Amino acid sequence: EAGVAQSPRYKIIEKRQSVAFWCNPISGHATLYWYQQILGQGPKLLIQFQNNGVVDDSQLPKDRFSAERLKGVDSTLKIQPAKLEDSAVYLCASSSTSGRGGSTDTQYFGPGTRLTVL
Amino acid sequence: GQSLEQPSEVTAVEGAIVQINCTYQTSGFYGLSWYQQHDGGAPTFLSYNGLDGLEETGRFSSFLSRSDSYGYLLLQELQMKDSASYFCAVTYDYKLSFGAGTTVTVRA
Repeated sequence: EAGVAQSPRYKIIEKRQSVAFWCNPISGHATLYWYQQILGQGPKLLIQFQNNGVVDDSQLPKDRFSAERLKGVDSTLKIQPAKLEDSAVYLCASSSTSGRGGSTDTQYFGPGTRLTVL
Repeated sequence: GQSLEQPSEVTAVEGAIVQINCTYQTSGFYGLSWYQQHDGGAPTFLSYNGLDGLEETGRFSSFLSRSDSYGYLLLQELQMKDSASYFCAVTYDYKLSFGAGTTVTVRA
């Protein structure tokens, strides 16, 4: 089966500019996640969708970050305006359920988008 | 909140055994997962422990003690391709929280 697709793979922008990332999860996966991974750290959950509804966005900086999953399939994460500290890899992941563990809840990650803010 | 602690780096030779410990503090704990990430790559799932005990998958094994809030990943018969970062992650409230990762370097 096809994996999680993300684009672009790399993006370089100036601070205060806007940027958008796209993710297409594994077909049939109801749950979609966006993570931010700063160099040398583990992924940090930004937002979690179940179908097209938000399950958790408690760590999303809502003054500048937004995300949507309009038809319950692919998703877009936007940053507007970007700051220097937003430089990171943005990872999208999906899982078939959002249950509490077990093989069906394994998260499958996309290759990520490496964002550099100058 | 959640906190996870794991060593930052481990170096070993090919064929050796490496154990990566992970201690955690979290409310609503449900299970402990391990992910591998090669440089520039995506995290990939290795194992999950929902119950106490040992889970074995080929050369990799993972252990959990819920009473001690402790787990470990055991890498056996190390190969050069095992050089990567390894993350423990707790499942709580339908979410994953990752540790900072352990960089494993395998030397010839």
